[in-house]
Amino acid sequence: GIQVEQSPPDLILQEGANSTLRCNFSDSVNNLQWFHQNPWGQLINLFYIPSGTKQNGRLSATTVATERYSLLYISSSQTTDSGVYFCAVSMNRDDKIIFGKGTRLHILP
Amino acid sequence: ETGVTQSPTHLIKTRGQQVTLRCSSQSGHNTVSWYQQALGQGPQFIFQYYREEENGRGNFPPRFSGLQFPNYSSELNVNALELDDSALYLCASSPGLNTGELFFGEGSRLTVL
Repeated sequence: GIQVEQSPPDLILQEGANSTLRCNFSDSVNNLQWFHQNPWGQLINLFYIPSGTKQNGRLSATTVATERYSLLYISSSQTTDSGVYFCAVSMNRDDKIIFGKGTRLHILP
Repeated sequence: ETGVTQSPTHLIKTRGQQVTLRCSSQSGHNTVSWYQQALGQGPQFIFQYYREEENGRGNFPPRFSGLQFPNYSSELNVNALELDDSALYLCASSPGLNTGELFFGEGSRLTVL
C-alpha cells in the first residue's frame, strides 16, 4: 500500500521563525490534507490540497503531485502553532486513508 | 451547519468487555471513516462507511466492526477488548467516497484496564 513519510519528526523553533514541513508519498493520490492536532486530540483542518498552492494567513501549502510531495509552510511562528502536524492521503483505487507519523512542532516564547 | 460529534468523550473498560462508540456526521456528508490513534502515533485507518456499506478497511481484526445508519451516523464496536485497544478513536465525515475534505470529531478516549 501507499507509504507516507513526514519530515522532520520533531522541530523546535523560536517564536517568529519560519518553518517548512514535508510530506512524501509513494504513489499517486487524489486526496491530500494537512491537519494540526490540538492538545485535546482534535484534528483541525488546515488545507485540502491534492495539487497546487493555497494560502491561509501565515500558513501556506504546496503539493506537487507529479513528484509526490507536499510542503506546509508556517511563517512568523507563534506559540499557539505548537502541536503535531499530520498529512493524510488517499487514492482512487484504494479506499484506505493513510496518515503520516506527523511532525511535532515546538515553538518557544 | 452541525459539525462531527462523537460520544462518549472518555470511557474506561476492562479486558474482555465490549464497547460501542458513536459518531454523528456533518450535515450533508454521506461517508464516515474511523481511526485509532495510540499515544504518540499517527491515526490508523480502521474502516470507512459509504451509504451504509463498509467500503475500505485497514489492518484491524474482525472484532472491530461498524455500522452506518440511514441518517449517515455511525457506530464503531470493539469486542473482546485488549489492553492495546487503549487509544483515541477518531471519526471523520466527508461529502463523498474518496472525495473532498475529511472533518474530524473530538474523539473518544478509551482506556482498557
